[in-house]
Amino acid sequence: QLVLTQSPSASASLGASVKLTCTLSSAHSTFAIAWHQQQPEKGPRYLMKLNSDGSHSKGDGIPDRFSGSSSGAERYLTISSLQSEDEADYYCQTWGTGIRVFGGGTKLTVL
Amino acid sequence: QVQLVESGGGVVQPGRSLRLSCAASGFTFRSYTMHWVRQAPGEGLEWVAIISFDGSNKYYADSVKGRFTISRDNSKNTLSLQMNSLRAEDTAVYYCARDQSSDIWGQGTMVTVSS
Repeated sequence: QLVLTQSPSASASLGASVKLTCTLSSAHSTFAIAWHQQQPEKGPRYLMKLNSDGSHSKGDGIPDRFSGSSSGAERYLTISSLQSEDEADYYCQTWGTGIRVFGGGTKLTVL
Repeated sequence: QVQLVESGGGVVQPGRSLRLSCAASGFTFRSYTMHWVRQAPGEGLEWVAIISFDGSNKYYADSVKGRFTISRDNSKNTLSLQMNSLRAEDTAVYYCARDQSSDIWGQGTMVTVSS
């Protein structure tokens, strides 16, 4: 079964960096994923598509502070120079034929 | 610019029907698979239904199978979701999104199922 696992919460200080993790089910460790940001009271916003080799393609207007990387079944989203507007829920998502799967989301608090 | 705009949400009684629409602009709609995603209050994102670029293939989450129908009109750049036999647990914001990676999202439309 295709499953994505995320930690429910994370926190980091203003100006610091944070690395969020999304773990694919072991049988699907080579799958690409997408990262999405959802700020409070807003709809989701596409950040990037992230491949198993760590290559990624970001959406229009996504700052360079956002980057992605991969290791095995894990997919990472790193946000550097944290700003207050980065406080949001972050979802990873993947896909197969006839299916879309979302992780449970990570709530990022900027201290 | 590239845009998706949902409409059709509202308050409906359990057992009744509602039809959502998603208007696409700024890209070649007929070239993309599209899908619906929903988010119940205070919850995460849940995939609902997918439709292939030409409408020939449709897939549904188990939670809506047999009750919801996804469709598209490529001549009008419009995606639709017909929701029948609505239940309280269908209460959510419904988003349409483009392609496998959901690289474009609409702003969402709220559906409330309540007596």
